[in-house]
Amino acid sequence: AQSVTQPDIHITVSEGASLELRCNYSYGATPYLFWYVQSPGQGLQLLLKYFSGDTLVQGIKGFEAEFKRSQSSFNLRKPSVHWSDAAEYFCAVALPIYNQGGKLIFGQGTELSVKP
Amino acid sequence: EPEVTQTPSHQVTQMGQEVILRCVPISNHLYFYWYRQILGQKVEFLVSFYNNEISEKSEIFDDQFSVERPDGSNFTLKIRSTKLEDSAMYFCASSGLNTEAFFGQGTRLTVV
Repeated sequence: AQSVTQPDIHITVSEGASLELRCNYSYGATPYLFWYVQSPGQGLQLLLKYFSGDTLVQGIKGFEAEFKRSQSSFNLRKPSVHWSDAAEYFCAVALPIYNQGGKLIFGQGTELSVKP
Repeated sequence: EPEVTQTPSHQVTQMGQEVILRCVPISNHLYFYWYRQILGQKVEFLVSFYNNEISEKSEIFDDQFSVERPDGSNFTLKIRSTKLEDSAMYFCASSGLNTEAFFGQGTRLTVV
């Protein structure tokens, strides 16, 4: 069965420090990969996505993620965290039929806290 | 920028009551979805809808759930007889051909 694992439930980083959020997936084929962010009381905002091509993808708000097929991973990174980045981050995967209405499968989420 | 709109933002209902959650997807999108997030848990797929019929549903989406696109703009999720465990944040999403899904702000459903 398809699954997405985010091993870190909660991470705390200092403002200005670098960040890496981990995501591993289990899928029969190479899926489409996504990172979403959810601020308290808000909906889900897409940070970035990977469909094919360059395995390092750039997203909004200075985030990037790298797809590593050999490790079935799609880790999210940011070189310098801002206090406004405090939120919950969800990794998600989808089959290529995603483009024709396929569903997303989400990980458990990682809550990011930023300390001054 | 176009967005997915959900109403109400928060709904409180008594156990056993019917509830309808409403969504206005992005106007030129073709695919519509409902997801839910129980507090502290991950976002789970409920159902997808295309061409006026359900294209896929999860095991969560049992007979007490139904979806409808009653007109050209709204997309609704009905829970026929709510249970305490239906308390969750419900997200509507829509996508077009070859576009990612855009999510609404969610409706927090509290069953008491």
